[in-house]
Amino acid sequence: DGGITQSPKYLFRKEGQNVTLSCEQNLNHDAMYWYRQDPGQGLRLIYYSQIVNDFQKGDIAEGYSVSREKKESFPLTVTSAQKNPTAFYLCASREGTGANPPLHFGNGTRLTVT
Amino acid sequence: GQNIDQPTEMTATEGAIVQINCTYQTSGFNGLFWYQQHAGEAPTFLSYNVLDGLEEKGRFSSFLSRSKGYSYLLLKELQMKDSASYLCSPNTGFQKLVFGTGTRLLVSP
Repeated sequence: DGGITQSPKYLFRKEGQNVTLSCEQNLNHDAMYWYRQDPGQGLRLIYYSQIVNDFQKGDIAEGYSVSREKKESFPLTVTSAQKNPTAFYLCASREGTGANPPLHFGNGTRLTVT
Repeated sequence: GQNIDQPTEMTATEGAIVQINCTYQTSGFNGLFWYQQHAGEAPTFLSYNVLDGLEEKGRFSSFLSRSKGYSYLLLKELQMKDSASYLCSPNTGFQKLVFGTGTRLLVSP
């Protein structure tokens, strides 16, 4: 079955350390996204990528970085510059063409930084 | 810029009907998505409205008024498993997809 895999499900880090969250999809989707969700809040867009080797900042990109070297993979690095990194991180993808397809989401990574 | 408003929380009882509203102001508009998200889980797609009017899909229906920048999700015959957050997401026609704050629905027996 095709889908999006995020790993790990739970991640713990010490303040000041960079950490990379994995996102892999086998849906052959062109576009991929990273969202952050805080308790009781909606989804806020961090970065998105429409094609390989290209990505754009979302609304809250500061303190994060991404790469898109392969169509299947869109890892997110949470750097030490991110002031409040503890959150639930969701990766999503969608087809790049066609009549407005919906997003498909991974199961998320819950990051705790202490 | 974009502005998307939803009520933060709603409560209802099992078997009832509830309407969750979403108002939006966006630069560009192609349609509007609704997603359901159970606590601690990933959002799942519920509906997509392009044209004005009501679209029914089982117990769930979604309405859109493009001229008013308004949509609602109507849930009928509520069940306990409908307790979740409901997320509104206007499709601006660009790949940048953003969401409202979400409405947390609590269904009680």
